[in-house]
Amino acid sequence: AQRVTQPEKLLSVFKGAPVELKCNYSYSGSPELFWYVQYSRQRLQLLLRHISRESIKGFTADLNKGETSFHLKKPFAQEEDSAMYYCALGKQGAQKLVFGQGTRLTINP
Amino acid sequence: DVKVTQSSRYLVKRTGEKVFLECVQDMDHENMFWYRQDPGLGLRLIYFSYDVKMKEKGDIPEGYSVSREKKERFSLILESASTNQTSMYLCASRLAGVDEQFFGPGTRLTVL
Repeated sequence: AQRVTQPEKLLSVFKGAPVELKCNYSYSGSPELFWYVQYSRQRLQLLLRHISRESIKGFTADLNKGETSFHLKKPFAQEEDSAMYYCALGKQGAQKLVFGQGTRLTINP
Repeated sequence: DVKVTQSSRYLVKRTGEKVFLECVQDMDHENMFWYRQDPGLGLRLIYFSYDVKMKEKGDIPEGYSVSREKKERFSLILESASTNQTSMYLCASRLAGVDEQFFGPGTRLTVL
């Protein structure tokens, strides 16, 4: 069965410090991984996808199939990064996503 | 720009009432989804629809049903609301073959 685990419900770091939000998944096939973000009073929206290997708002995420992880990283946190972050897993070619429990990130000034 | 709208931002209902949550998207997306969002549990899929009149159960369909009579509209129905259905409900849509889901603003339902 597909499962996504985000071990940290809450994460608090200081502005300028590095940030890493952890995500582990279980899936026997070839996974598609995503990070979605929800800023205060805004809709949930896609932040990045592993396929594109892009950096969005300074965030990157590398798929590690050996460790079944897709951690989200940013070298220098900014206050506007405070938000709820969800890791999500989709089957290859499938339309459904399985979401993790979410991590609330707070950046302290 | 994709727009997904939900009929209400806040809704208060009584136990046993029949509740309708409406979702409309304006981008001709084939796929639509209903999730509930609870602290510590993340988003859980209730139902989704591949296309008009097509529906499939998600991970937590018990106590819910859906209707997709038109492509742009996907309704979630609580046949007899219960207090454990108090939650934030999110609707999403997606163009078939594209991975990104677009979300509505959410409906916070309280069942008393």
